[in-house]
Amino acid sequence: GAVVSQHPSWVICKSGTSVKIECRSLDFQATTMFWYRQFPKQSLMLMATSNEGSKATYEQGVEKDKFLINHASLTLSTLTVTSAHPEDSSFYICSAPTVTGELFFGEGSRLTVL
Amino acid sequence: DAKTTQPPSMDCAEGRAANLPCNHSTISGNEYVYWYRQIHSQGPQYIIHGLKNNETNEMASLIITEDRKSSTLILPHATLRDTAVYYCIVRVAGGNAGNMLTFGGGTRLMVKP
Repeated sequence: GAVVSQHPSWVICKSGTSVKIECRSLDFQATTMFWYRQFPKQSLMLMATSNEGSKATYEQGVEKDKFLINHASLTLSTLTVTSAHPEDSSFYICSAPTVTGELFFGEGSRLTVL
Repeated sequence: DAKTTQPPSMDCAEGRAANLPCNHSTISGNEYVYWYRQIHSQGPQYIIHGLKNNETNEMASLIITEDRKSSTLILPHATLRDTAVYYCIVRVAGGNAGNMLTFGGGTRLMVKP
């Protein structure tokens, strides 16, 4: 199947710093990508939809100024957690649909904010 | 996307078939049934999907009832590596619109030796 890759797979940062997570579709183009957050023992929660060449759309309750999304090309979307705090510690996952509508997920990025 | 209901957890003996049920009584005619699984600390992995016919691939079989209100994912010979959370999702397939997935709680399958 198609491959979606995230980087970094884990990151530890100090409170107040910003962290960028990349999501790449390696063998297909994706005009749309999705970002999820998952807390321990919970299911995935959709945060936002990243749209190539336009603004991302955010789910209710997700602060767009806190979680900056940039979809600069057809194969790359980035999520930047700005001024991270310990409560932002979570497992962040992206996904991208192929042209046939199948959805593939990245490996996930575990963020720990100290 | 339609809501699904799955048992929170199941156990299965290694080498035996694992049958994971899913109820989706409000599924609409153009919605497919998708199954994904998530092994601890990894992203979800696609397993199989179907519309109304039963489907089989190298990973699993999907049995969908005639009224499409429920389905069963079958892992024919479960191994320890199949221990994961299995998510049943219904959604419209194709195109970018409507590709958003709503994840329920899933079923935590524990394969035991």
